[in-house]
Amino acid sequence: GDSVTQMEGPVTLSEEAFLTINCTYTATGYPSLFWYVQYPGEGLQLLLKATKADDKGSNKGFEATYRKETTSFHLEKGSVQVSDSAVYFCALPCIQGAQKLVFGQGTRLTINP
Amino acid sequence: DTGVSQNPRHKITKRGQNVTFRCDPISEHNRLYWYRQTLGQGPEFLTYFQNEAQLEKSRLLSDRFSAERPKGSFSTLEIQRTEQGDSAMYLCASSLGVRAADTQYFGPGTRLTVL
Repeated sequence: GDSVTQMEGPVTLSEEAFLTINCTYTATGYPSLFWYVQYPGEGLQLLLKATKADDKGSNKGFEATYRKETTSFHLEKGSVQVSDSAVYFCALPCIQGAQKLVFGQGTRLTINP
Repeated sequence: DTGVSQNPRHKITKRGQNVTFRCDPISEHNRLYWYRQTLGQGPEFLTYFQNEAQLEKSRLLSDRFSAERPKGSFSTLEIQRTEQGDSAMYLCASSLGVRAADTQYFGPGTRLTVL
């Protein structure tokens, strides 16, 4: 079945460091890919998405490129801020039926000033 | 557009009691999803409504769980005879449309603690 694998956390960085969170997937066909973020005490918010191969999603300085060849959708940011501290989830919708989202296990990111 | 709302935000109950959660989706969103999230894990799909019809249920949804979406608006998730293993965050999401690329918008969740 469809699945998403994220790099294990937690990840701790200093402010202004470069961030990469790896995400790879297994899916039938070529689904859209999503990154959601969960700030402390809040629900999931869509961070960015890409709907087809080679698309780049971007938002708030974060970017991710849909790589069909490597079945990956790694999240990157050039200079992180303390306010980026959160849990990040990679997800894809099952193409069949309910199109429910399948999530990775999440990566907790802590940015120190 | 006030977003997806869920009530209550927190629920503490004793084992064996029944609990009910409510989700109010974004107005006019035809799809509504329930997910469960345990500590340190990503959300897992429970069930899905297209308008008022419940079209898919996960094997995670035992017969103690029931969900409704009367009139295709708000939804309720009831858990009967709660068990300690039911302790989790219950998330509701809604979307407009029928494509896999359509964004699901999540509510803040209801955190259930079963003592």
